[in-house]
Amino acid sequence: QVQLVESGGGVVQPGRSLRLSCAASGFTFGFIGMHWVRQAPGQGLEWVAVIWPDGSEKYYAESVKGRFTISRDNFKNMVYLQMNSLRAEDTAVYFCVRHYSGWDYWGQGTLVTVSS
Amino acid sequence: QSVLTQPPSVSAAPGQRVTISCSGSSSNIGSNYVSWYQQLPGTAPKLLIYEDNKRPSGIPDRFSGSKSGTSATLGITGLQTGDEADYYCGTWHSSLSAGIFGGGTKLTVL
Repeated sequence: QVQLVESGGGVVQPGRSLRLSCAASGFTFGFIGMHWVRQAPGQGLEWVAVIWPDGSEKYYAESVKGRFTISRDNFKNMVYLQMNSLRAEDTAVYFCVRHYSGWDYWGQGTLVTVSS
Repeated sequence: QSVLTQPPSVSAAPGQRVTISCSGSSSNIGSNYVSWYQQLPGTAPKLLIYEDNKRPSGIPDRFSGSKSGTSATLGITGLQTGDEADYYCGTWHSSLSAGIFGGGTKLTVL
């Protein structure tokens, strides 16, 4: 069955970097667009970024544009989120999400805490 | 403030029916499919409705979706205490080239 497993979260100081990873299995990864969605503590869902199946196009939320980079490795069935210049407001659970029929499969999430 | 507007909360008694609205614009709901998500406390969101009104396998027909113009609606009939959760609508915003979600609606089953 479809599985998405995120890793790489943790506590990081403001201004530092962190890279999140998402291991995908159970579907033909190279044909599916992949997204990152985050949820700050006690808040709603915020879409972060998307990468096309072949990696040819990437789009970002305004709040992370220029600081975050989404990428994927279709040989390893992995999607990544490189987060630079982190701010306190980036503190959230980050979900890796597949988009085929809607955002149909979500990982369990990985918590990123930006704090000094 | 979310681009898609949902009521912060709704409530109804067990067995009753409730609807949750999601209001957007011609650049998002008006030109793209809407999907709906249920999030139980401490868990990842779960897809309930995709492409405006389709249910994934395993989602009971108590859940339904509809869309008219720039607004969408999630309907839940035969409410159960287990339906208490946060519900989100989501779609693509064409002019922003970005995904968007509503602010979420907390459903209380009284």
